[in-house]
Amino acid sequence: AQKVTQAQTEISVVEKEDVTLDCVYETRDTTYYLFWYKQPPSGELVFLIRRNSFDEQNEISGRYSWNFQKSTSSFNFTITASQVVDSAVYFCALSPPRGGGSNYKLTFGKGTLLTVNP
Amino acid sequence: ETGVTQTPRHLVMGMTNKKSLKCEQHLGHNAMYWYKQSAKKPLELMFVYNFKEQTENNSVPSRFSPECPNSSHLFLHLHTLQPEDSALYLCASSQDRGRDYIPTQYFGPGTRLTVL
Repeated sequence: AQKVTQAQTEISVVEKEDVTLDCVYETRDTTYYLFWYKQPPSGELVFLIRRNSFDEQNEISGRYSWNFQKSTSSFNFTITASQVVDSAVYFCALSPPRGGGSNYKLTFGKGTLLTVNP
Repeated sequence: ETGVTQTPRHLVMGMTNKKSLKCEQHLGHNAMYWYKQSAKKPLELMFVYNFKEQTENNSVPSRFSPECPNSSHLFLHLHTLQPEDSALYLCASSQDRGRDYIPTQYFGPGTRLTVL
């Protein structure tokens, strides 16, 4: 069984602060994919990043960075110099590798509501 | 223009009404999904279609009836819903074909449904 835990239900920061969103996962698969999605108040889930379990390199994209540590089963997301527009719910998700001809399934965490105050 | 569109964006219906939600993807994907997102609950996968064939029904009540006429369109027909069915219904699509498939689901903006 797969499980994704986002222990932080809500986080509130002041603009320009750095903030890290935690994600811990459980899986018995040796290969898998990890994702982060952003859900602004409008409702749409916006894909941010996909990471293959074989690739443990950290990634940086502008103010966003991701720290994947297989040893601790964590895939944390950091926003540097946060902005009000970063306010949203952020979801971490896990999928198994494709197998048996079936569609892969995403297992989502419960999400972290990030509020960035001016 | 977004890759996955959903209409309507908002829907209010009575328990005896029949309505349909529509999803269209412009990404050339072969798989499409319906999710339900209720307040303070995790995203729930409802249905999965692959090349128009339903491959997953996650024990969804029969008052929700999906239809996938082709790989680009997905419908969710609603009838005799209950107030607890009020939620955000999200559609997604992905490319699930070939050895080098890209296992990323792209979501539409959702339909916010209120059942009175």
